[in-house]
Amino acid sequence: DAGVIQSPRHEVTEMGQEVTLRCKPISGHNSLFWYRQTMMRGLELLIYFNNNVPIDDSGMPEDRFSAKMPNASFSTLKIQPSEPRDSAVYFCASTLLGQGFSSYEQYFGPGTRLTVT
Amino acid sequence: GQQVMQIPQYQHVQEGEDFTTYCNSSTTLSNIQWYKQRPGGHPVFLIQLVKSGEVKKQKRLTFQFGEAKKNSSLHITATQTTDVGTYFCAGWWSSGTYKYIFGTGTRLKVLA
Repeated sequence: DAGVIQSPRHEVTEMGQEVTLRCKPISGHNSLFWYRQTMMRGLELLIYFNNNVPIDDSGMPEDRFSAKMPNASFSTLKIQPSEPRDSAVYFCASTLLGQGFSSYEQYFGPGTRLTVT
Repeated sequence: GQQVMQIPQYQHVQEGEDFTTYCNSSTTLSNIQWYKQRPGGHPVFLIQLVKSGEVKKQKRLTFQFGEAKKNSSLHITATQTTDVGTYFCAGWWSSGTYKYIFGTGTRLKVLA
């Protein structure tokens, strides 16, 4: 298995531009998570999906952030418009959640390093 | 809101010394997971604990889940340079919906 795939690996953009991050989870996993990591704020869960449905988006910073999962094999995280404070590493992770959210390990992608100038 | 704090934030040890990081949640967790992130890398799963008071070992690593399921610890015996990285605890908790949270992390440096 190729693992969780994220693209792009690096993104440099100017303030005000739209940024789209992409994630392909591991085949067979039913849940997908988006995280943001910075030195100041650590590793923050932004949103997670179960069976393509957003379950908890309380970590999404503001309306400039949106996430979609149109099918079991693809998800996007969009920032529009981007701001310098959005600069961070964004990780996608996937796992198999059982009944009652009995949990297994999360597999993380390599991350996308976003720089907004 | 819900917080999961880890102490210490940073730890430098000499190779061969022991290391412990503590994870404290403000609310009861359904389970606790531990991850390790090497510098420049992504978090990698180490272990999951589910039962109150559970203890698990992986070679030089010992993991504990507290009786109240609000705290946990990771102990490394005789650290090696390969143990360098940031160790995170993470867990599920229920507040109407199921939520998942990562701890603040402990960064370990091992001096040869």
